[in-house]
Order: sequence, then C-alpha cells, then structure tokens
Amino acid sequence: NAGVTQTPKFRVLKTGQSMTLLCAQDMNHEYMYWYRQDPGMGLRLIHYSVGEGTTAKGEVPDGYNVSRLKKQNFLLGLESAAPSQTSVYFCASALDPAKNIQYFGAGTRLSVL
Amino acid sequence: EDKVVQSPLSLVVHEGDTVTLNCSYEVTNFRSLLWYKQEKKAPTFLFMLTSSGIEKKSGRLSSILDKKELFSILNITATQTGDSAVYLCAVYSSNTGKLIFGQGTTLQVKP
Repeated sequence: NAGVTQTPKFRVLKTGQSMTLLCAQDMNHEYMYWYRQDPGMGLRLIHYSVGEGTTAKGEVPDGYNVSRLKKQNFLLGLESAAPSQTSVYFCASALDPAKNIQYFGAGTRLSVL
Repeated sequence: EDKVVQSPLSLVVHEGDTVTLNCSYEVTNFRSLLWYKQEKKAPTFLFMLTSSGIEKKSGRLSSILDKKELFSILNITATQTGDSAVYLCAVYSSNTGKLIFGQGTTLQVKP
C-alpha cells in the first residue's frame, strides 16, 4: 500500500535555483495539499487542490506554484529558491476532508543555501 | 482569524507517567478536530472528534472534545519511550475547507 509518496526525500538548492516536488497518491482522493513545517510553527498550508485541474492558495503561497494535471499527482514548484524556503514539505490527500482524515507523505527536507 | 493553540509546547516525563496535552481553538464553522502523532517523518492519524463529550479511545491514548469551551485534550496513560513524538492538533473549518494546525506539543518520555 503506497498511500502518499513524495519525491525527492532530500534536496539542497542554491539561492535562485528552481525545482519541483512531486506528490503522488494511489487512493483516488479528490483533495490534495502541500504544507511546510518549520520549528515551532506546526504545519502551514501552502496550496491545495479540490480536484483535478484545480488549485487554490493556502496560508503561505508566495514563492510557490502548483499544478494538478492528473488526479493522482500534485506538483509543488519553486521558481527561484530563497533561504526562507528551507523547510520540511509535506503533501497530504483526503477523500473528503470534512469526513475523512488527511493522509500524509513522508516529507521532503529542502535546504536552500 | 482562525487559530489553534496547543499547550504545553514541550513536555518531558518518565515512563509510566500520565500526560495530558491541550488544544484550544477559535475557528468559524467548526466541523471536526483531529489529533496526529509525528515521529521524525509523516504525521500519523490518531483521532477525529466531531461531537462534544464523547471520548475516543485507543489503547493507552484517549481524547475528548468540549465544543462549548472550544478545546480538546489528549491523554496518554502509562507512557512509554515509544510515545516520544510531536503531537499535532488540527481543526477542520467548513468555512475555509482547510485544516488549521496548532504548533504541536513535543513529548519526550525518558526511561
């Protein structure tokens, strides 16, 4: 049972570089989310999607873009990485967030130097 | 502004102790409150509470919600070193359609 899979697990970038984080889920969930987790701040929502082809901004969207071209995949892009984007990124999915729990991926640890 | 506040932020106990973790919230159109356990990697689901006063229980862990006073507690009895983790509380608002997370409580259980 794969559940929610994130790639890569670790990445080091230089300031100004770009990268894409991939989240894939095999549970046929409609809702997908990208969070970042920083020490002492819990999980903060970056962007989310309520279905294939849709995206919406969360609490801290600046500096990030997302795409949901296929239902099972949710991509998070950093066009020009900044040191402030050093964080652990988690993807999650849910069938219906009002009734069901969100399932999380293992996380991607990103360092921007 | 919707917010979820957990206390304490960190806690150190010894094996066998009982701990109580707190989560208070101010969220419009509350639908549910969730507890997660996070050890090194992905948060794993513990409980979802929607009704006030009904205790959810799983082994040594239990949780209850008070919708009048806007808080929840997570109890862990007879703690073990394997309970060491960050415990996250999150509230789902039908107004925003999002989960709002608290800062987390870091629990360390010493042998």
